[in-house]
Amino acid sequence: DIVMTQSPDSLAVSLGERATINCKSSPSILYSSNNKNYLAWYQQKPGQPPKLLIHWASTRESGVPDRFSGSGSGTDFTLTISSLQAEDVAVYYCQQYYGTPYTFGQGTKLEIK
Amino acid sequence: QLQMQESGPGLVKPSETLSLTCTVSGGSLISSSNFWGWVRQPPGKGPEWIGSILYSGSTYYNPSLKSRVTISVDTSKNQFSLKLSSVTAADTAVFFCARSTPIAVALFDFWGLGTLVTVSS
Repeated sequence: DIVMTQSPDSLAVSLGERATINCKSSPSILYSSNNKNYLAWYQQKPGQPPKLLIHWASTRESGVPDRFSGSGSGTDFTLTISSLQAEDVAVYYCQQYYGTPYTFGQGTKLEIK
Repeated sequence: QLQMQESGPGLVKPSETLSLTCTVSGGSLISSSNFWGWVRQPPGKGPEWIGSILYSGSTYYNPSLKSRVTISVDTSKNQFSLKLSSVTAADTAVFFCARSTPIAVALFDFWGLGTLVTVSS
């Protein structure tokens, strides 16, 4: 199985400041034939299903604010929120869709400092 | 707007079979591009992919659950279903049904609200 490991497990950031969440895959989820990273980021608020934010490691879904950005390649990926808003408080998960079983990270809980 | 709704018993006894149905509205399961899947999330833990199905009946299952899982589709009712046999307390979770985007088997862009299933005698 491809193991997805996120860091940190929890994070407290002041409003307006940058939040950075990391995700490491083992092994690589970069498909050489198309040079695409099969990595997605989801946001989950309490009592709600996960919401897809980003796929291909850096492609934002329609309607997702541009303060959310994804980067990285191969085995190391980052989700960045450039200026934290109150509504961004949530748990964030990375997920690989490179190969079965499709696996998620353990989650990073983002709070306001 | 696509909507998805899970339904089924909220309490299942150990060793029995968990059965859930996902009803899709505002869109059709008969799409050559989309897989439809089940994801579970134990309380306080991350999501776990269970399996995905195409409208034709083609399925992909998580190998860790494959011996106990069956996912089926009923296009006449615009529904797909999950059966998980021989359940134990470790199967207690919120179960979500979801639609995958056309680019992958399990990249989920629409989700149901989820239903909590507790395994207990």
